[in-house]
Amino acid sequence: QITLKESGPTLVKPTQTLTLTCTFSGFSLSPSGVGVGWIRQPPGKALEWLAFIYWNDYKRSSPSLKTRLTITKDTSKNQVVLTMTNMDPVDTATYYCAHTHLRVGLSFDSWGQGTLVTVSS
Amino acid sequence: QSVLTQPPSASGTPGQRVTISCSGSSSNIGSNTVNWYQQLPGTAPKLLIYSNNQRPSGVPDRFSGSKSGTSASLAISGLQSEDEADYYCAAWDDSLNGHVVFGGGTKLTVL
Repeated sequence: QITLKESGPTLVKPTQTLTLTCTFSGFSLSPSGVGVGWIRQPPGKALEWLAFIYWNDYKRSSPSLKTRLTITKDTSKNQVVLTMTNMDPVDTATYYCAHTHLRVGLSFDSWGQGTLVTVSS
Repeated sequence: QSVLTQPPSASGTPGQRVTISCSGSSSNIGSNTVNWYQQLPGTAPKLLIYSNNQRPSGVPDRFSGSKSGTSASLAISGLQSEDEADYYCAAWDDSLNGHVVFGGGTKLTVL
């Protein structure tokens, strides 16, 4: 059974850097085809893709946030870390990490419960 | 403004068949597969359809997906009250070195 859980601060100040960790079980980031992505959702708004990283370290991030995002993986710890610099109140959202695999195309077939991050001074 | 366009709302009565549309362009739906997600109130999204028309294990066959040109559709037959949720389409977009794009979401109400 695949499970993912997001962890990190619930409150950050404007201009600070946000670091979120996705800790997962039920799969490894070693085998070919496996990946983890990050998606966020501002309160009452739509989903927005942020980034993903695959087993071979192939990674992509949202063009609109590219300069602010960094995604890395620690295969030995079953973790993926997302950092977002220069946080702003508009970045207030629930942040989700999710499992993906090439066999399901570029879809996210298992999701974490999400973590609400509020940006406020 | 989302790259993929969905109607903000849809509705139907129990037992009815409803469809939700998702409109894109040649750089996303026109050249890549479409995925659909269901988000029940207060919960994380759930993958409903991948690769245009494939259902993950456990998803009822009441849910089906299709794609034609630069548009895609999600159909729900035999509508049930528990289908009341937000539905999102998503696809890979080849522009700007490639990225995932989502629709703005459709809130489905079961009357």
